[in-house]
Amino acid sequence: QVQLVQSGAEVKNPGASVRVSCKASGYTFTDYYFHWVRQAPGQGLEWMAWMNPANGVTDYAQKFRGRVAMTRDTSINTAYMELSGLRSDDTAVYYCARDGNRPTPPFDLWGQGTLVTVSS
Amino acid sequence: DLQMTQSPSSLSASVGDRVTVTCRASQGISNSLAWYQQKPGRSPNLLIYAASTLQSGVPSRFSGSGSGTDFTLTITSLQPEDVATYYCQKYNGAPTFGPGTKVEIK
Repeated sequence: QVQLVQSGAEVKNPGASVRVSCKASGYTFTDYYFHWVRQAPGQGLEWMAWMNPANGVTDYAQKFRGRVAMTRDTSINTAYMELSGLRSDDTAVYYCARDGNRPTPPFDLWGQGTLVTVSS
Repeated sequence: DLQMTQSPSSLSASVGDRVTVTCRASQGISNSLAWYQQKPGRSPNLLIYAASTLQSGVPSRFSGSGSGTDFTLTITSLQPEDVATYYCQKYNGAPTFGPGTKVEIK
């Protein structure tokens, strides 16, 4: 079954870091890129980061540069997103999504989302 | 920076109605435009990409059109299961989402 399965909900204190995982199954892990998108409560979708898991090349939205890092472990088909310096406005559901080389469809497979709550 | 806008921000229509959602890019993006449906508590789901290509498995009542800066998502006959928020997205380069359009049943 082709799917992305994310790690469970997290509660963090302000200033802490969080790492969210996204495990791929049912397809070749290195054939598709990964993106991370977040959604604050009641708000829209916000793109954060991109990674090519074949070579580890990344790109980050300007807003998050210096605070976000994407890594991967190809031996277990898992991508990771770490966000540091957490603030209350980082409270959101974080999604991973896969993306292929054009003309394949973009963002055609999403994880179930991981709620990260930042609160003291 | 490129901005994506959508209109309306919300709409209410009857079952069977034709529904149209508009998306505008602040600069030309050719046809690098996708539409997503997000139901409450669920992950987004790709409906349309390349402005007008229907994703596999998506009902044919959904269609997309446009190129350059102006794009449209149309639902030809609104169904109860279409209640959701719809997002447009420019996806080549740094992806950018529109603010969303909430569709409800009247």
